[in-house]
Amino acid sequence: QKEVEQNSGPLSVPEGAIASLNCTYSDRGSQSFFWYRQYSGKSPELIMFIYSNGDKEDGRFTAQLNKASQYVSLLIRDSQPSDSATYLCAVNPSGGSYIPTFGRGTSLIVHP
Amino acid sequence: DAGVIQSPRHEVTEMGQEVTLRCKPISGHDYLFWYRQTMMRGLELLIYFNNNVPIDDSGMPEDRFSAKMPNASFSTLKIQPSEPRDSAVYFCASSSTLAGGSNEQFFGPGTRLTVL
Repeated sequence: QKEVEQNSGPLSVPEGAIASLNCTYSDRGSQSFFWYRQYSGKSPELIMFIYSNGDKEDGRFTAQLNKASQYVSLLIRDSQPSDSATYLCAVNPSGGSYIPTFGRGTSLIVHP
Repeated sequence: DAGVIQSPRHEVTEMGQEVTLRCKPISGHDYLFWYRQTMMRGLELLIYFNNNVPIDDSGMPEDRFSAKMPNASFSTLKIQPSEPRDSAVYFCASSSTLAGGSNEQFFGPGTRLTVL
């Protein structure tokens, strides 16, 4: 069973702070990693994906991947109340399947 | 494009009744996925199709669940008979390619199912 683990939270940060969301995965051969954002009552939407070790930045979002330690993280700089949502980590397994396994998500609350 | 379309958005039914959920994927997408989301279990993949053919239905919880994709623009998920533990949000998602790992999934708005 390939697993993707996330702390369910909630993670509460003040407006303007950096929010750090973490995800670990069990399949060492995983190659592709995704972060989806899901607002309450809405559907998930992709915000970041990363394939290579290191950092990938997109605006206020930075995805960090460390394959040796089998974790991927999402940093949100200058957090805004509008960032309050559940963040789902998804991992493509090894073995040629590109069907991602989703974590259960971390709830983020950004308070003014 | 209108995105992935699901209907109905809300469904309330009584235990034992048949429930049919519908999905129209994004035009040109060749993969279609059905998910179920609950607080307890998170987002679970039930079944996925490639070019209208079911590829993996190992996530379908029981024989009460069935899914079809008669053509590239339509899929159904049926529960017969429904039970209260089937209450959840059911998402349909589609994607256009799985090659190279570029497999962003586009989710529909979901169907919130309540079985009394």
